[in-house]
Amino acid sequence: EIVLTQSPATLSLSPGERAALSCRASQSVASSLAWYQHKPGRAPRLLIYGASNRATGIPARFSGSGSGTDFTLTISSLEPEDFAIYYCHQSSDWPSRPSGLTFGGGTKVEIK
Amino acid sequence: EVQLVQSGAEVKKPGESLKISCQVSGYTFTSYWISWVRQTPGKGPEWMGSIYPRDSDTRYSPSFQGQVTISADKSLSTAYLQWSSLKASDTARYYCVRQEQWPYYHFDYWGQGTLITVSS
Repeated sequence: EIVLTQSPATLSLSPGERAALSCRASQSVASSLAWYQHKPGRAPRLLIYGASNRATGIPARFSGSGSGTDFTLTISSLEPEDFAIYYCHQSSDWPSRPSGLTFGGGTKVEIK
Repeated sequence: EVQLVQSGAEVKKPGESLKISCQVSGYTFTSYWISWVRQTPGKGPEWMGSIYPRDSDTRYSPSFQGQVTISADKSLSTAYLQWSSLKASDTARYYCVRQEQWPYYHFDYWGQGTLITVSS
């Protein structure tokens, strides 16, 4: 199973600041890495797919980078609605890989 | 418009069986994998398994293999997740999710979630 490790667990920042969230894979996932935003009581929302492609309707302040084992989600200037939990997710070699799909443990972006 | 509409919340006792549903609209049901994802408070999402409705090819996470059954009814454009004997540890919110096609297979559309509470 591919393990995704997200860091930091919590990021305390103020609106307007830049956020950089890390996701590291235990083995290469090429570019099969996505990022989701999750707020309490709501379904997760796709932000980034294919490591660096913004999903439809996602503001330009969200960007993704990386390939292989190291990935970063950057929020260039935090808006009040961006304070949430962020998860990375890998889908490398789907559907042939027996262990399938995995998520990281999440990074909570909270207001400082 | 793509929509995944899940069945309502359930309160069950340990040992009871349960089947929850996810009805899709706005796209060709048989052309995309549908996954089920478990979410518990304080923990990240967990992929449980996926089904390709065209041929019912089903894949399970090793953590959930044998614990749940995933199925689909093409005529109803509906996917299902079922338990034969619930445990208290199954208490969680469950999401059905559409997987986009090759090359990335990311989760692009999510249902609203079904809250399952298992308590004696």
